[in-house]
Order: sequence, then C-alpha cells, then structure tokens
Amino acid sequence: EVQLVESGGGLIQPGGSLRLSCAASGFTVSSNYMSWVRQAPGKGLEWVSVIYSGGSTYYADSVKGRFTISRDNSKNTLYLQMNSLRAEDTAVYYCARSGDYEELDYWGQGTLVTVSS
Amino acid sequence: SYVLTQPPSVSVAPGKTARITCGGNNIGSKSVHWYQQKPGQAPVLVIYYDSDRPSGIPERFSGSNSGNTATLTISRVEAGDEADYYCQVWDSSSDHPRVFGGGTKLTVL
Repeated sequence: EVQLVESGGGLIQPGGSLRLSCAASGFTVSSNYMSWVRQAPGKGLEWVSVIYSGGSTYYADSVKGRFTISRDNSKNTLYLQMNSLRAEDTAVYYCARSGDYEELDYWGQGTLVTVSS
Repeated sequence: SYVLTQPPSVSVAPGKTARITCGGNNIGSKSVHWYQQKPGQAPVLVIYYDSDRPSGIPERFSGSNSGNTATLTISRVEAGDEADYYCQVWDSSSDHPRVFGGGTKLTVL
C-alpha cells in the first residue's frame, strides 16, 4: 500500500528555516517524480516544487532561491528545506507522488507551517 | 507560465448533473487531471488523463477536454460530493511544470 507521511511543520519566526520530511512506503521515491504542494489558509492549491527521477528539480517563482527539494534514497524520504521564511509561506504543505500521466495520484496528509513572530 | 481558470463556485441540486470547467490556452493539447478536496482533508485524484478514473472513484465522475476548455462532470450528484475541485495540467515545456486552477466550490443545494 502506498503511503506518504509528512512531518517537520510548526511555528517559525520570519527569516527562519525549517525542513519538512515526507516518508514514503509501498513504492520507491527515487523512481518517481515527487512534488510538494501547499495550501494557504482558506486558499487554493499551489504547486511548490518537483524532483524528477533523474534528479532535476524545479520551483515555483515564489520559493525559488529559498526552498530546496531533495531526497534520501536510503531512507525513501523526500525533503523540503525552507529558508528565509516569510509570513506568506504559512500553509499546509503536502507531498505527492506523480503517476504515469503526471497526475498526483497519492498525497500525504499534510503538515502545517506557520510563519509568525 | 500557463494559467488555468475555474469558476469560483457551482451549485447543483441532488440528483442533477454538475459541470465544472477549467479554461486554458489550447488546454485540449494537454493532459488534465482533477482533484476533490473536502474540508480538513488532503486532495484526492478523481480524474486523470482528461477522462480516466482511478480505482474506487464512482462512474458518476467523468471528464472531457477539447479546445480551450476541460470539464469535470458529476452525474446524479450526492450530498457527499460537496467539496472543492481543482484542475491541474503538466506543462512539460515549462520551468513551472505543474499548474493548478484556482478551484471551484461545489455546493449541493
């Protein structure tokens, strides 16, 4: 059974850093395209970043230069390193796996990041 | 980057048919996926590759895509279908490969 479990969210001051983790089971992270998607309170879904199976990475303009997506193949885990956090980064962050047609076929339950002083 | 436009809200009576549109420039040339999100829950894939249904999704959910508009159709709407629905495409030629529409709130009257 495919499962994605995020962790690492919490309350952080503006300018701070946080690393989110997404532990996967039932499939191999490195063999799939993996994404981070966020949702600010009361708002819609916003794609944040993707890492392809070959290792290429892409970012939304809103986080480029501040966030870094990576994976640990030995732990079958996806990460999102978030630096220079801003109030507008406050959101629930979801990790998701891509299927054969680039649909996001499995999602984690999400982890809440609150950036506030 | 590519822009997807959805109506903010759609209302439908139980048992009727709901249609939620997703507009984009020549969207018919792309694969469109649809997600359902209920309050406090993660999104769930309900349609992929324009019109395919994942296992476990009722046949009442269907999709189409042509020209500049993709459509999610929900037949015989039930109270449990009330949720936010998002369309999404993969723009392989872009540095921002995944794009979501703004979402549509489906209200069952």
